[in-house]
Amino acid sequence: AQSVTQLGSHVSVSEGALVLLRCNYSSSVPPYLFWYVQYPNQGLQLLLKYTTGATLVKGINGFEAEFKKSETSFHLTKPSAHMSDAAEYFCAVSDRGASTGRRALTFGSGTRLQVQP
Amino acid sequence: DADVTQTPRNRITKTGKRIMLECSQTKGHDRMYWYRQDPGLGLRLIYYSFDVKDINKGEISDGYSVSRQAQAKFSLSLESAIPNQTALYFCATSDWQETQYFGPGTRLLVL
Repeated sequence: AQSVTQLGSHVSVSEGALVLLRCNYSSSVPPYLFWYVQYPNQGLQLLLKYTTGATLVKGINGFEAEFKKSETSFHLTKPSAHMSDAAEYFCAVSDRGASTGRRALTFGSGTRLQVQP
Repeated sequence: DADVTQTPRNRITKTGKRIMLECSQTKGHDRMYWYRQDPGLGLRLIYYSFDVKDINKGEISDGYSVSRQAQAKFSLSLESAIPNQTALYFCATSDWQETQYFGPGTRLLVL
């Protein structure tokens, strides 16, 4: 069974500082990896995803993430935080079920990002 | 118009009542999902459907049932609501690369 661990339920940074949100996963097969963002009172929006190919993935709003197979990690970064980045961020992994060959998505527990002025 | 819509957006009900949450999508996707979100637990999968005739239980299906009325519609029912089903419920669809598109959510309070 796959699982996703997000280290730190709350992360606080100053405006202009580096944002680093950590995600580690376990999967028995090559996974698809996702980061979603949830703004207050809204649904989840896709930030970026890794399926195959280049391991450094660029997303919306200046975010990027790198798939590191040896570390089973997919950490999310942004060089300079903006006040509008304050939100909750979810890492998710999708791998193929052994019996059906179909993919299902498992989410981490989320990291709430605060940006201090 | 939104690609994935959910009704109602907010609902208060009493213990023991049957309620239905509805989801519609205009993205033309075959795959649809129901999740619940609780603080500190992320999103947990309740049920998913890969096409109209294919419905599967997720990790927390007990106490819930679903109906896939058409490709575009996927309803979640609580047959006899209980207070620990108070949560934020999301419907989602996905494309062939597993990217999921979420509705705005339904906030449910069971008294």
